[in-house]
Amino acid sequence: DIQMTQSPSSLSASVGDRVTITCRASQGISNYLAWYQQKPGKVPKLLIYAASTLQSGVPSRFSGSGSGTDFTLTISSLQPEDVATYYCQKYNSAPSITFGQGTRLEIK
Amino acid sequence: EVQLVQSGAEVKKPGESLKISCKGSGYSFTTYWIGWVRQMPGKGLEWMGIIYPGDSDTRYSPSFQGQVTISADKSINTAYLQWSSLKASDTAIYYCAKGIWVGATQSPFDYWGQGTLVAVSS
Repeated sequence: DIQMTQSPSSLSASVGDRVTITCRASQGISNYLAWYQQKPGKVPKLLIYAASTLQSGVPSRFSGSGSGTDFTLTISSLQPEDVATYYCQKYNSAPSITFGQGTRLEIK
Repeated sequence: EVQLVQSGAEVKKPGESLKISCKGSGYSFTTYWIGWVRQMPGKGLEWMGIIYPGDSDTRYSPSFQGQVTISADKSINTAYLQWSSLKASDTAIYYCAKGIWVGATQSPFDYWGQGTLVAVSS
């Protein structure tokens, strides 16, 4: 089974900071990688799919990059409304579709 | 407008059976895979499985195979997740979600239901 490892598990940053979250696959998954945002008490929301394609309606401060085993979600300028837990998800092969363990992002 | 509307919260006892639902609207229900995702209290997201309502083809995560049953009734645009004998460890929020691409199993989820809380306690 391909394992997904997200880092860091938690992160505190200031408004306006550039924030980077990493997701690493134990084997190559091409670009079959998505990122989700889950605000406290809310439903998960798709931010990025195909590693770097921004879902419609998502602010442009969010971006994704990577291919193969190493992927990154970047928030170019952190806003207070970005407080959430972020999950990566590999979807290269059903039923072996898995989420990363999540990264909790807080405002410093 | 695409919507996935899930059934309401459930409180059950260990050993009881349960079937929760997810009704889709605003899109072609039979041509997109629908999945189920578990979130245990204070924990992360777990992909459980998916179903293609057009022909009820189903794929289960190995972690959930044999533990739950996913089904669909395309005549009423509704997908289901059911348990034959609940355990306390089944306590969680369960989300249904729609695949982003027509007919694709390899797909992230672009629309999510509001979640169904299942609480299992004696």
